[in-house]
Amino acid sequence: KNQVEQSPQSLIILEGKNCTLQCNYTVSPFSNLRWYKQDTGRGPVSLTIMTFSENTKSNGRYTATLDADTKQSSLHITASQLSDSASYICVVTGIRSGTYKYIFGTGTRLKVLA
Amino acid sequence: DSGVTQTPKHLITATGQRVTLRCSPRSGDLSVYWYQQSLDQGLQFLIQYYNGEERAKGNILERFSAQQFPDLHSELNLSSLELGDSALYFCASSPNEGYEQYFGPGTRLTVT
Repeated sequence: KNQVEQSPQSLIILEGKNCTLQCNYTVSPFSNLRWYKQDTGRGPVSLTIMTFSENTKSNGRYTATLDADTKQSSLHITASQLSDSASYICVVTGIRSGTYKYIFGTGTRLKVLA
Repeated sequence: DSGVTQTPKHLITATGQRVTLRCSPRSGDLSVYWYQQSLDQGLQFLIQYYNGEERAKGNILERFSAQQFPDLHSELNLSSLELGDSALYFCASSPNEGYEQYFGPGTRLTVT
Protein backbone atom coordinates (compact mmCIF):
# COMPACT_ATOMS: atom_id res chain seq x y z
CA LYS A 1 0.00 0.00 0.00
CA ASN A 2 1.30 3.46 -0.90
CA GLN A 3 1.87 5.44 2.28
CA VAL A 4 3.74 8.48 3.49
CA GLU A 5 4.41 8.84 7.21
CA GLN A 6 5.78 11.98 8.81
CA SER A 7 7.28 12.48 12.21
CA PRO A 8 7.00 14.07 14.61
CA GLN A 9 3.34 15.11 14.38
CA SER A 10 4.17 18.37 16.10
CA LEU A 11 7.27 20.14 17.30
CA ILE A 12 8.00 23.22 19.41
CA ILE A 13 11.43 24.86 19.23
CA LEU A 14 12.98 28.15 20.25
CA GLU A 15 13.82 30.79 17.70
CA GLY A 16 17.32 30.36 16.33
CA LYS A 17 17.45 26.61 16.91
CA ASN A 18 17.70 23.97 14.18
CA CYS A 19 15.27 21.12 13.65
CA THR A 20 14.80 18.09 11.42
CA LEU A 21 11.54 16.66 10.18
CA GLN A 22 11.22 13.11 8.90
CA CYS A 23 9.31 11.50 6.07
CA ASN A 24 9.18 7.74 5.39
CA TYR A 25 7.37 6.38 2.38
CA THR A 26 6.40 3.10 0.75
CA VAL A 27 5.30 4.57 -2.59
CA SER A 28 6.48 2.55 -5.55
CA PRO A 29 7.42 3.06 -8.31
CA PHE A 30 8.84 6.39 -7.19
CA SER A 31 8.85 9.54 -9.30
CA ASN A 32 9.64 12.44 -6.98
CA LEU A 33 9.36 13.73 -3.42
CA ARG A 34 8.31 17.22 -2.49
CA TRP A 35 8.27 19.22 0.71
CA TYR A 36 5.68 21.94 1.17
CA LYS A 37 5.19 24.61 3.82
CA GLN A 38 1.60 25.46 4.67
CA ASP A 39 0.65 28.42 6.81
CA THR A 40 -2.68 28.02 8.60
CA GLY A 41 -5.60 28.57 6.22
CA ARG A 42 -3.39 29.17 3.20
CA GLY A 43 -2.29 27.11 0.23
CA PRO A 44 0.88 25.03 0.50
CA VAL A 45 4.06 26.52 -0.92
CA SER A 46 6.72 24.31 -2.44
CA LEU A 47 10.10 24.20 -0.69
CA THR A 48 11.94 21.47 -2.59
CA ILE A 49 11.37 18.74 -5.13
CA MET A 50 13.73 15.79 -5.54
CA THR A 51 13.89 12.98 -8.04
CA PHE A 52 15.39 9.53 -7.57
CA SER A 53 18.94 10.61 -8.36
CA GLU A 54 19.05 13.62 -6.04
CA ASN A 55 20.32 13.24 -2.46
CA THR A 56 20.18 16.81 -1.23
CA LYS A 57 18.44 20.00 -2.21
CA SER A 58 18.51 23.35 -0.47
CA ASN A 59 16.23 26.35 -0.50
CA GLY A 60 17.64 29.05 1.75
CA ARG A 61 17.55 27.78 5.34
CA TYR A 62 15.68 24.65 4.26
CA THR A 63 17.66 21.55 3.24
CA ALA A 64 15.96 18.35 2.15
CA THR A 65 17.69 14.99 1.88
CA LEU A 66 16.52 11.84 0.16
CA ASP A 67 17.66 8.25 0.60
CA ALA A 68 15.86 6.32 -2.11
CA ASP A 69 17.25 3.00 -0.86
CA THR A 70 15.71 3.29 2.60
CA LYS A 71 12.78 5.38 1.31
CA GLN A 72 13.42 8.16 3.78
CA SER A 73 13.59 11.90 3.48
CA SER A 74 14.29 14.66 5.94
CA LEU A 75 13.80 18.40 5.98
CA HIS A 76 16.33 20.35 8.03
CA ILE A 77 15.55 23.90 9.07
CA THR A 78 18.52 25.99 10.12
CA ALA A 79 18.41 28.97 12.47
CA SER A 80 14.63 28.87 12.80
CA GLN A 81 12.56 32.05 12.66
CA LEU A 82 9.11 32.83 13.99
CA SER A 83 7.84 32.80 10.40
CA ASP A 84 8.81 29.13 10.12
CA SER A 85 5.80 28.29 12.28
CA ALA A 86 3.64 26.27 9.90
CA SER A 87 2.79 22.73 8.81
CA TYR A 88 5.36 20.94 6.68
CA ILE A 89 3.98 18.38 4.28
CA CYS A 90 5.85 15.60 2.51
CA VAL A 91 4.34 14.47 -0.79
CA VAL A 92 5.54 11.47 -2.78
CA THR A 93 4.61 11.03 -6.43
CA GLY A 94 4.44 7.52 -7.80
CA ILE A 95 3.97 6.51 -11.40
CA ARG A 96 2.73 3.29 -12.90
CA SER A 97 1.73 2.68 -16.51
CA GLY A 98 1.82 6.38 -17.22
CA THR A 99 -0.55 7.28 -14.40
CA TYR A 100 0.64 9.42 -11.51
CA LYS A 101 -0.38 8.99 -7.88
CA TYR A 102 0.11 11.75 -5.32
CA ILE A 103 0.46 10.50 -1.74
CA PHE A 104 0.41 13.15 0.97
CA GLY A 105 1.74 12.82 4.47
CA THR A 106 -0.36 14.27 7.28
CA GLY A 107 2.29 16.87 8.02
CA THR A 108 4.42 18.05 10.92
CA ARG A 109 3.14 21.10 12.73
CA LEU A 110 6.08 23.29 13.76
CA LYS A 111 5.83 26.11 16.25
CA VAL A 112 8.78 28.44 16.78
CA LEU A 113 8.75 30.40 20.03
CA ALA A 114 10.53 33.67 20.71
CA ASP B 1 1.30 34.80 -5.10
CA SER B 2 1.37 31.45 -6.92
CA GLY B 3 -0.50 32.69 -9.99
CA VAL B 4 -3.37 30.27 -9.35
CA THR B 5 -6.69 31.96 -8.64
CA GLN B 6 -9.73 30.48 -6.96
CA THR B 7 -13.20 31.88 -6.55
CA PRO B 8 -15.05 32.42 -4.36
CA LYS B 9 -12.81 32.81 -1.31
CA HIS B 10 -15.60 31.94 1.07
CA LEU B 11 -18.91 30.15 0.58
CA ILE B 12 -21.62 29.49 3.11
CA THR B 13 -24.51 27.28 2.11
CA ALA B 14 -27.06 24.88 3.56
CA THR B 15 -27.15 21.11 3.59
CA GLY B 16 -28.57 19.58 0.43
CA GLN B 17 -27.46 22.45 -1.77
CA ARG B 18 -25.10 22.46 -4.72
CA VAL B 19 -22.10 24.75 -5.24
CA THR B 20 -19.45 25.30 -7.89
CA LEU B 21 -15.87 26.23 -7.12
CA ARG B 22 -13.74 27.75 -9.82
CA CYS B 23 -10.01 27.61 -10.48
CA SER B 24 -7.82 29.40 -13.00
CA PRO B 25 -4.38 27.80 -13.34
CA ARG B 26 -1.10 29.62 -13.85
CA SER B 27 -0.56 30.79 -17.39
CA GLY B 28 0.69 27.89 -19.48
CA ASP B 29 -0.03 25.17 -16.92
CA LEU B 30 -1.93 22.27 -18.44
CA SER B 31 -2.58 20.22 -15.32
CA VAL B 32 -5.09 21.09 -12.61
CA TYR B 33 -5.55 19.30 -9.30
CA TRP B 34 -8.26 19.58 -6.65
CA TYR B 35 -7.73 18.90 -2.94
CA GLN B 36 -9.91 18.92 0.16
CA GLN B 37 -8.60 19.86 3.59
CA SER B 38 -10.93 19.47 6.54
CA LEU B 39 -10.23 21.26 9.81
CA ASP B 40 -6.87 20.21 11.24
CA GLN B 41 -6.62 17.42 8.68
CA GLY B 42 -4.15 16.69 5.95
CA LEU B 43 -4.70 17.41 2.28
CA GLN B 44 -6.82 14.84 0.47
CA PHE B 45 -6.30 14.54 -3.27
CA LEU B 46 -9.61 14.56 -5.13
CA ILE B 47 -9.01 14.65 -8.87
CA GLN B 48 -6.59 15.76 -11.57
CA TYR B 49 -7.12 17.00 -15.11
CA TYR B 50 -4.55 17.39 -17.83
CA ASN B 51 -5.39 19.49 -20.88
CA GLY B 52 -9.09 18.81 -20.49
CA GLU B 53 -8.89 15.11 -19.72
CA GLU B 54 -9.32 13.42 -16.38
CA ARG B 55 -6.00 11.83 -15.46
CA ALA B 56 -6.15 10.69 -11.86
CA LYS B 57 -8.81 10.20 -9.25
CA GLY B 58 -8.37 10.18 -5.51
CA ASN B 59 -10.90 10.03 -2.71
CA ILE B 60 -13.59 11.95 -4.55
CA LEU B 61 -17.18 11.29 -3.55
CA GLU B 62 -19.79 10.47 -6.18
CA ARG B 63 -21.62 13.67 -5.15
CA PHE B 64 -18.61 15.64 -6.38
CA SER B 65 -17.61 16.15 -9.99
CA ALA B 66 -15.14 18.30 -11.84
CA GLN B 67 -14.17 19.34 -15.32
CA GLN B 68 -11.48 21.30 -17.12
CA PHE B 69 -12.56 23.57 -19.92
CA PRO B 70 -10.79 24.36 -23.23
CA ASP B 71 -9.36 27.56 -21.74
CA LEU B 72 -7.88 25.30 -19.01
CA HIS B 73 -9.84 26.71 -16.10
CA SER B 74 -11.51 24.10 -13.94
CA GLU B 75 -14.65 23.81 -11.87
CA LEU B 76 -15.41 21.53 -8.94
CA ASN B 77 -19.09 20.83 -8.41
CA LEU B 78 -20.29 19.69 -5.00
CA SER B 79 -23.88 18.53 -4.69
CA SER B 80 -26.23 17.26 -1.96
CA LEU B 81 -23.94 18.97 0.49
CA GLU B 82 -23.51 17.57 3.99
CA LEU B 83 -22.09 19.16 7.13
CA GLY B 84 -18.97 17.03 6.72
CA ASP B 85 -18.21 18.67 3.39
CA SER B 86 -17.22 21.85 5.22
CA ALA B 87 -13.55 22.28 4.41
CA LEU B 88 -10.93 24.24 2.53
CA TYR B 89 -10.83 23.28 -1.13
CA PHE B 90 -7.55 23.92 -2.89
CA CYS B 91 -6.77 23.95 -6.54
CA ALA B 92 -3.22 23.51 -7.80
CA SER B 93 -1.69 23.62 -11.25
CA SER B 94 1.51 22.42 -12.87
CA PRO B 95 3.07 22.71 -16.33
CA ASN B 96 2.96 18.97 -16.80
CA GLU B 97 2.06 15.87 -14.85
CA GLY B 98 4.26 14.83 -11.94
CA TYR B 99 5.92 18.25 -11.72
CA GLU B 100 5.89 20.75 -8.89
CA GLN B 101 2.36 21.92 -8.12
CA TYR B 102 1.45 25.53 -7.41
CA PHE B 103 -1.45 25.95 -5.03
CA GLY B 104 -4.15 28.58 -5.06
CA PRO B 105 -5.37 30.39 -1.93
CA GLY B 106 -8.30 28.01 -1.48
CA THR B 107 -12.06 28.30 -1.13
CA ARG B 108 -13.44 27.92 2.36
CA LEU B 109 -16.78 26.11 2.22
CA THR B 110 -19.06 26.14 5.24
CA VAL B 111 -22.16 23.95 5.15
CA THR B 112 -24.75 24.81 7.80
